[in-house]
Order: sequence, then C-alpha cells, then structure tokens
Amino acid sequence: GENVEQHPSTLSVQEGDSAVIKCTYSDSASNYFPWYKQELGKGPQLIIDIRSNVGEKKDQRIAVTLNKTAKHFSLHITETQPEDSAVYFCAASVSGGGSEKLVFGKGTKLTVNP
Amino acid sequence: GAGVSQSPRYKVAKRGQDVALRCDPISGHVSLFWYQQALGQGPEFLTYFQNEAQLDKSGLPSDRFFAERPEGSVSTLKIQRTQQEDSAVYLCASSSRASNEKLFFGSGTQLSVL
Repeated sequence: GENVEQHPSTLSVQEGDSAVIKCTYSDSASNYFPWYKQELGKGPQLIIDIRSNVGEKKDQRIAVTLNKTAKHFSLHITETQPEDSAVYFCAASVSGGGSEKLVFGKGTKLTVNP
Repeated sequence: GAGVSQSPRYKVAKRGQDVALRCDPISGHVSLFWYQQALGQGPEFLTYFQNEAQLDKSGLPSDRFFAERPEGSVSTLKIQRTQQEDSAVYLCASSSRASNEKLFFGSGTQLSVL
C-alpha cells in the first residue's frame, strides 16, 4: 500500500522568511496530493491540493510542486507570518479509483518567530 | 450547519466500556470519512461512506470497531470493549464529492481509555 514520508518533523523560521516542507510517496498510482494545516485542538484544514496532471499550483503565499518521476511533492510558504504556525500534513491517494483512502505523512510542526 | 460537528468533544472511558462517537457532516455532503489520530501522528484512515453505503472499512483496527450512516447523513463510530490502545482523537470528515477530495474535517473527539 501507499507510504508517505514527510520531513522535516519540525521547522522554525523568522517572520517573512520562506518555509519548505517535503514529502515522498511510494505508490505510482497515486494521483491526488492535498496539504492540510492543523492548529492545536482543531481538525485538519485543507490549504491546497494538486492532481498528478499538474506540476505546480499556487494560491497567494502558498505553492505546491509535484515531481511524478521522483515521487515527491513539496509545500512552499512565502512571506511567513506568525499565524502560519501550525502542524502541516501532506497526503497522497488514488482518487476516484474506488478506494478513497488518504494516506498522511507524520506532520511538520512549523513555528514562525515574530 | 456551517461545518462538520462532532460530539462529544472529549470522552473518558474505563477499559472494557463501549463508546459511541457522533458525526454531523456538512448538509448535503455525499462522502463521509472517519480517521484516527494518535498523539503526534498524522490521521489514519478508518472507514469511508458514500451516502449510506460503507464502501471501505479496511482501516478499522478490529471487529470491536463499527461505523454506520443509516440515512446517509449523521454517522456514528462505535467502539466496543475499549482498550487503552484505542486512546486517540477520532476525526470525521465530509466532502461534497464522491471521493476523498476537498475534505472538511471536524474538530474531533478525544477519547481517553483508562
């Protein structure tokens, strides 16, 4: 089955700097890659997602890149702000193929220092 | 409602007790998922419903775990004869799509088994 590795497990940056979180996946059939942000005591919130037919997607300060050949994808946050501090999870799945299981990475705790 | 609602927010059970966790998805959402999140880990898939049909229950850890969604709306996750290893946050998520895309998560039920 699918296995998702995520690193780093913790990341500390200064406000205004960029942050990059990387994930690798094992199942070449995976075609859907979402990123979730989880604040303390809350459920994960979808912040951006990408399908396998696209190499890059941007939404304001957030971007995701996908390399299907290498089976890895990354989250880029620019101009970080203290409110970006949270745990970020990547996930991978085969969407629309009958099994809708999302496999999550173990998370990255991002701290943005003012 | 405005989002996915889960109750209770916290549940303490003695080992061997049965518990029932409730999920109210966003009105009209077709897909409903249950995930288990251990402390410091990413969510792990338990089961998936499309309307009232349980299409995937491959993630349920044992036959002590049972989920239902009889009318295609509210769902209940039941755990019989709870064990200490069942202690975790149980997350419910829903989507307007018949897939795992664009999931909206609730805040979860934190279960502690003593």
